[in-house]
Amino acid sequence: GAVVSQHPSRVICKSGTSVKIECRSLDFQATTMFWYRQFPKQSLMLMATSNEGSKATYEQGVEKDKFLINHASLTLSTLTVTSAHPEDSSFYICSARDPGRDYGYTFGSGTRLTVV
Amino acid sequence: GQQLNQSPQSMFIQEGEDVSMNCTSSSIFNTWLWYKQDPGEGPVLLIALYKAGELTSNGRLTAQFGITRKDSFLNISASIPSDVGIYFCAGRLNNQFYFGTGTSLTVIP
Repeated sequence: GAVVSQHPSRVICKSGTSVKIECRSLDFQATTMFWYRQFPKQSLMLMATSNEGSKATYEQGVEKDKFLINHASLTLSTLTVTSAHPEDSSFYICSARDPGRDYGYTFGSGTRLTVV
Repeated sequence: GQQLNQSPQSMFIQEGEDVSMNCTSSSIFNTWLWYKQDPGEGPVLLIALYKAGELTSNGRLTAQFGITRKDSFLNISASIPSDVGIYFCAGRLNNQFYFGTGTSLTVIP
């Protein structure tokens, strides 16, 4: 089945630095990937839709200059949290759709970001 | 974004009991999905529903797509300890997913 690999699984960074999170579709090509954010004991909130070869579409309230998304190939989307602050600490999850499957929206295993 | 209300928020049940949770929305969705999330992991798809009234089973799990297309429920029969986790409903609209608030399930052996 479709596999989405997300890396790193955990990262700790200092305030003011930037962190890059990768989302790869391993056995299929994904023209669209999604990035979610999840706070403890809360639901997944869609941050942005990543489109291969074009600009990402951000949900209302999500700062595009802070959360940079790049979808340079059909198998890789990256989310860069720039100038990280402690309030950016969260669980970030990507998902991708396998166009060969009806409902093939598969999730990565998530990245736990802690900003100290 | 779209708001999906999921209930109950949490459940504590004895092993062997049946479980029922539901999800409602103010919007009409063309697909309903149910996911389970273990701590520190991404959600894993349990069941997908595509049309109003559809009833689908996956082992001990059964889910239904409401007739109004604004709700869905998930039942788990004869619960076991490994059913522990957070269950999320998700509605698909315009190729985007919106998630419910989650139901935390604890199964007491």
